[in-house]
Amino acid sequence: QQPVQSPQAVILREGEDAVINCSSSKALYSVHWYRQKHGEAPVFLMILLKGGEQKGHEKISASFNEKKQQSSLYLTASQLSYSGTYFCGTEITSGSRLTFGEGTQLTVNP
Amino acid sequence: NAGVTQTPKFQVLKTGQSMTLQCAQDMNHEYMSWYRQDPGMGLRLIHYSVGAGITDQGEVPNGYNVSRSTTEDFPLRLLSAAPSQTSVYFCASSYSTRGAWGYTFGSGTRLTVV
Repeated sequence: QQPVQSPQAVILREGEDAVINCSSSKALYSVHWYRQKHGEAPVFLMILLKGGEQKGHEKISASFNEKKQQSSLYLTASQLSYSGTYFCGTEITSGSRLTFGEGTQLTVNP
Repeated sequence: NAGVTQTPKFQVLKTGQSMTLQCAQDMNHEYMSWYRQDPGMGLRLIHYSVGAGITDQGEVPNGYNVSRSTTEDFPLRLLSAAPSQTSVYFCASSYSTRGAWGYTFGSGTRLTVV
């Protein structure tokens, strides 16, 4: 089952913060986050395993709420380079296939 | 390291033609997969492989075949191209499906079927 991402799109000014959410109706083993710039391949940002572990990547961090089956990606003090489409991918069990959400388009303006 | 290499980058096919999209990785990754990306639909899994000689179907396997004779290569074959297969195709690999390993994506193949 495809995870649901929200919002579908967000526009920021440089330096502002944003939160992107990813929800599943099924219990999850892991959540992946990827960023894709226009015309390029998705790039791995981070992975969160069940247990509510929070991971960070520079000014981008994420959390995983196991009870709600929801993950949130936090982008603080956004930079122009953060623009792109962010995808979450979910695994139901270890070794199962990764199912992606429809993506959230993030635009950071000067 | 080259990572994941996909060829060709662009391709135009006529309806009914067949072709093979190539994917090779040099990272000794156990897991390889093929996704298609259509506007507004995210990435949808076509086929995947957890090791040489082992393949399985994803969400949208109809019209596609795969094989994995070596760890490095995972070609995707379109049997009889249809306009509905117009899409961008990405190959992705991962060290293992067990544990916390992210996917490395190839640069994609943009396919148009006319």
